[in-house]
Amino acid sequence: EVQLVESGGALVQPGGSLRLSCAASGYSFSNYNMNWVRQAPGKGLEWISFVSSSSSTVYYADSVKGRFTVSRDNAKNSLYLQMDSLRDDDTAVYYCARAVTPDFWGQGTLVTVSS
Amino acid sequence: EIVMTQSPATLSVSPGERATLSCRASQSVSNNLAWYQQKPGQGPRLLIYGASTRATGIPARFSGSGSGTEFTLTISSLQSEDFAVYYCQQYNNWPPLTFGGGTKVEIK
Repeated sequence: EVQLVESGGALVQPGGSLRLSCAASGYSFSNYNMNWVRQAPGKGLEWISFVSSSSSTVYYADSVKGRFTVSRDNAKNSLYLQMDSLRDDDTAVYYCARAVTPDFWGQGTLVTVSS
Repeated sequence: EIVMTQSPATLSVSPGERATLSCRASQSVSNNLAWYQQKPGQGPRLLIYGASTRATGIPARFSGSGSGTEFTLTISSLQSEDFAVYYCQQYNNWPPLTFGGGTKVEIK
């Protein structure tokens, strides 16, 4: 069974940093591209980052470019999102999702940016 | 950036009735369009990809159609478990991947 489990969400002050993790199981993680998608409270889905299976290609939404860094460790079946210079409008549930047309999603982890 | 627009924002439907949801792209996305269902407190679930292909395990009452800029998701006979929010997503021209704003299907 494919499972994606996010962790690392927390309450953080504006300007702070946080690192999210996504643990994948039930499939060959190294064969799949991965994405991070977020959802602000009561709002829709916003794609924020992509990393290819080999980490050779990464993309970011303009809203997070220069502040967030995506990475993966295929040996550990894990995806990461380093978030720096956090702002109030980064408050959201963050999902990891498999593939460009995400066929599996995690349950999400909540990041709250507030003073 | 391709903008995806969904309508209506809310759809009130009685169980057993048909629901028709629309999604429009600001420019052609060919058939590179997916639909997702999201229930409260859960991650989205892939329903349809390639505009009309059901994902694994998705019941036949869900169908997708359209190409270019106009797309439709039809739920032929709404079941209680189908009341949720539905999103469309284009993956033809990216980054960025873009989602519509969602349609909430509620019980009438």
